[in-house]
Amino acid sequence: AQSVAQPEDQVNVAEGNPLTVKCTYSVSGNPYLFWYVQYPNRGLQFLLKYITGDNLVKGSYGFEAEFNKSQTSFHLKKPSALVSDSALYFCAVRDLTGAAGNKLTFGGGTRVLVKP
Amino acid sequence: GAVVSQHPSRVICKSGTSVKIECRSLDFQATTMFWYRQFPKQSLMLMATSNEGSKATYEQGVEKDKFLINHASLTLSTLTVTSAHPEDSSFYICSATPRGGFNYGYTFGSGTRLTVV
Repeated sequence: AQSVAQPEDQVNVAEGNPLTVKCTYSVSGNPYLFWYVQYPNRGLQFLLKYITGDNLVKGSYGFEAEFNKSQTSFHLKKPSALVSDSALYFCAVRDLTGAAGNKLTFGGGTRVLVKP
Repeated sequence: GAVVSQHPSRVICKSGTSVKIECRSLDFQATTMFWYRQFPKQSLMLMATSNEGSKATYEQGVEKDKFLINHASLTLSTLTVTSAHPEDSSFYICSATPRGGFNYGYTFGSGTRLTVV
């Protein structure tokens, strides 16, 4: 079965400082990995995805993520955080083996708080 | 880009009544739609997967008679919470993907906050 872990419930960072949100995954085959952001009482907005190719993926709003197969990680990063980046971030994985179908499995979410 | 519209955004209903939530893909044909439930400060829990023209596949522990899902067209799926009770109060989110489009991501609706009183 596929699973995703986001080890930090909350990340606090000062505006202008680098932001990292951690994600590790477990799948039986090759993973498709996603990052989404959720603002209060809203649905999920797509940030970026890794399917194949370069391990460093660039996404929306200045975010990027690095796929590390040996460490089964897909950490989200932003070089300089903004107060408006304060939100709930979800990592998700789709297992390509087909055992889980086309379902996305989500991590528990990490709340990011960027202080001015 | 792909847009999914979810309606209503908020609904308050009395215990024992039924509530219908709509999920529409506005600019693509959604062959598959997913329905999630999200409790406060928690992650998304997949409730069911619906494919156009066929019965929904429910996740373990989700009552299919309680949460009726209809995906009668390529642009519309509905979730009906039947005989709602306060414990059904939650944030419900739908997601849609086009035919063969799983690789390109999943588009989410803006969610529906259901409060049962």
